[in-house]
Amino acid sequence: GIQVEQSPPDLILQEGANSTLRCNFSDSVNNLQWFHQNPWGQLINLFYIPSGTKQNGRLSATTVATERYSLLYISSSQTTDSGVYFCAVAWGSGTYKYIFGTGTRLKVLA
Amino acid sequence: GAVVSQHPSRVICKSGTSVKIECRSLDFQATTMFWYRQFPKQSLMLMATSNEGSKATYEQGVEKDKFLINHASLTLSTLTVTSAHPEDSSFYICSARQTALGKLFFGSGTQLSVL
Repeated sequence: GIQVEQSPPDLILQEGANSTLRCNFSDSVNNLQWFHQNPWGQLINLFYIPSGTKQNGRLSATTVATERYSLLYISSSQTTDSGVYFCAVAWGSGTYKYIFGTGTRLKVLA
Repeated sequence: GAVVSQHPSRVICKSGTSVKIECRSLDFQATTMFWYRQFPKQSLMLMATSNEGSKATYEQGVEKDKFLINHASLTLSTLTVTSAHPEDSSFYICSARQTALGKLFFGSGTQLSVL
């Protein structure tokens, strides 16, 4: 099966700092999404980004499908950005399935 | 955005009982839904893919007789944990794929505690 690895596994930032989270995948994928899981377990969809670059406020994401990685940029981090960030890739043929990455646990300090 | 409703949000049951979790797509049709399990401080592990009107496809290592999945309509999928045991205690999350856009939307999860 496909392997989806995220780095770093843990990240601590001071409020206002910038960061880059990485998602590497071992096979070709149909789609890719980034999620933020809040402390209550709810998964918030951040980006649907099978390729290219998108921006939404302080967040942006880039996927280079041919090189099998995606990056999530967080600028001017805030304490509310804390939580776990996951990438998930749609993989397989026919009814493809979504496989989650290992996650990056982010803590932003005031 | 699209809304996926999952109920109950929390359930505590005795060992040996069965628990049913519902997942509904409220404002779109979902021919495909996915069920995940998440243990504390771990990632989401795909349990099964549920297609409307057909049998679910289970991932390797997931007991299909213990985790019964029914996807009877384009907006509803259910997961029944049969004869639950303490080791089944976990956070279960459903998701629905919005066919038109291909995006995945998630329910709010169910915390299952088996005593």
